[in-house]
Amino acid sequence: DSGVTQTPKHLITATGQRVTLRCSPRSGDLSVYWYQQSLDQGLQFLIQYYNGEERAKGNILERFSAQQFPDLHSELNLSSLELGDSALYFCASSASGDTEAFFGQGTRLTVV
Amino acid sequence: GQQLNQSPQSMFIQEGEDVSMNCTSSSIFNTWLWYKQEPGEGPVLLIALYKAGELTSNGRLTAQFGITRKDSFLNISASIPSDVGIYFCAGHTIQGGSEKLVFGKGTKLTVNP
Repeated sequence: DSGVTQTPKHLITATGQRVTLRCSPRSGDLSVYWYQQSLDQGLQFLIQYYNGEERAKGNILERFSAQQFPDLHSELNLSSLELGDSALYFCASSASGDTEAFFGQGTRLTVV
Repeated sequence: GQQLNQSPQSMFIQEGEDVSMNCTSSSIFNTWLWYKQEPGEGPVLLIALYKAGELTSNGRLTAQFGITRKDSFLNISASIPSDVGIYFCAGHTIQGGSEKLVFGKGTKLTVNP
């Protein structure tokens, strides 16, 4: 158990809908990263937050947004969903000044 | 943007064989990390490397941080069936206050008993 909790584990939704994925980082970790992993693909970096502020942005679509709350949990919002958005979405966290990132179990999103 | 070239893409080996995979980049990284991902699970951190030239072991796993800070390799000795999975390298860097953790595309390892 990495200590990073992601909910829900599975999500099935229709095209055009909006979903919110939630991540609770390890206790004390200030950094949260979001990644997308499509079938048999590598991990595509989406966005990173550090202590509530956006720290880095990757290949995140405009339909996607994220935020980190004062209690350090983070949410990834995906809107106007398309079939191609079906993927595993992972959250990882790391402590301040510590670059070892620990991953959650992921949320498997299926858009039908 | 920064990219990591990880090779080989896949490996099919017999139980007991040694395995070697590597990652290279055109950019310098401050830290190299190696992860293993099993089907339906999140990546699990195996080894973290913090200094150029550093050689670190974790059981049958050995990884090195290249002297140029642009590459790293991971060796697995005496492979066993439970080594099956996808191995990812990741490079961490901080540039202009922006922190990034960049992943390679992974090496898929299959071990035949």
